[in-house]
Order: sequence, then structure tokens, then C-alpha cells
Amino acid sequence: GAVVSQHPSRVICKSGTSVKIECRSLDFQATTMFWYRQFPKQSLMLMATSNEGSKATYEQGVEKDKFLINHASLTLSTLTVTSAHPEDSSFYICSARPRGTNEQYFGPGTRLTVT
Amino acid sequence: AQKVTQAQTEISVVEKEDVTLDCVYETRDTTYYLFWYKQPPSGELVFLIRRNSFDEQNEISGRYSWNFQKSTSSFNFTITASQVVDSAVYFCALSNTNAGKSTFGDGTTLTVKP
Repeated sequence: GAVVSQHPSRVICKSGTSVKIECRSLDFQATTMFWYRQFPKQSLMLMATSNEGSKATYEQGVEKDKFLINHASLTLSTLTVTSAHPEDSSFYICSARPRGTNEQYFGPGTRLTVT
Repeated sequence: AQKVTQAQTEISVVEKEDVTLDCVYETRDTTYYLFWYKQPPSGELVFLIRRNSFDEQNEISGRYSWNFQKSTSSFNFTITASQVVDSAVYFCALSNTNAGKSTFGDGTTLTVKP
């Protein structure tokens, strides 16, 4: 149990386009989902906290208009990188927190390359 | 503010050696969780262990063992009789129980040579 999926696993896009990444909790309801970003050979940095039915809370330095987060249901959160640039190329990882618990389960990550 | 420090950036050992990965954390919370994750080259985070702040018992799982000491704010991870497949980046993380978001250390790259 407690599986989190991400789609796509890899995506290549051209500079200036937008890319949507999905994070799904497959067998549980997630009231909270977290989005992390990991640059090569670096640690995971929290970008934002997404709560179902409300606006996401962004960490300092993360542009909310560039990284649009939508937590439309208890099993799905999406991260849209708008007007992507090469410096947005990174590994994006989501995690989901089941309702009523302090557990956290990570997705397999999405590798974004912007050319 | 929370902080996790993994002082060892890279460690290289020969197969069958024991190796300990250090993790020191800072938090003002009295209730929190500590984690270790393994990240192989594929990138997917593999959960290894979760420990809450009230449970200081050391844990052993096969070749893996963890030493949690609140007095020194450390949560060290030991791999006994290392194997080549243990080669990966290992992250220590700290989570606030209320907010749930995790703070990660910078990771330790472990290379186990045959």
C-alpha cells in the first residue's frame, strides 16, 4: 500500500513552453502533497505544500506564478512549470501525506529537461 | 528553523567493509520524525527508516542499523558488510509532525567498490 505515482517520468520540452507534472496517491487519500526539486548532485528542496481544496503554500524564493500547483482532489496534485527555461531543468519529486497521519510517501520523480 | 547536516559528502569503501553515515539535526520541535532514504542512480527515493522523536531505541534491519541519540541530535546509519548494490546517495531528513514537510540533508554519496 501507500503508493505514489508521478507522470510523466521524463519530459523534454522547448524553452518557453509549459509542462504539467501529475502526482497521484494510488491507494490512499492525501490531504497534503509536497513538491520538491532536486538539481544534479544536490539535495531535495521543498518548493511548496499543497492542500486539497486550498491554495498552495510556497517556500521562500519559489515563484508561485511560474510553478502553478493545483490540488484538485484527494488523490491528485499537479505542478505546471510555465514558460519553462533551461534553468528549470531538474528532478521534481512529490510526496503525499495520507489523511489523519504523519506519514509521507514519495513519488518516483519526474526528470524535466528544457532545451 | 530545521536543519539537517550530513558532513560526509562522499564515502568510498571496499566491499564487505562496514560504513557509518552521519546525520546531525537541529529543530526546536519536541515532536518530530527522522528519516533515511536511499537514492540510486535511477533517482527514485527509497524509504529506509522513519523514527519519531520519542523512540530512541536503536534499530537493526538486516545489514542496516540506526543509532538515534537525542543528546547529540544525531541519527547515524550503519551498513554492515557493504555490497556494491549499496552504492547510492543517502539522505537523512527531518519532518515536523504538524506541517509534515521534510528538510533534507545534502546527502552522502556512498561508493562500494568490489
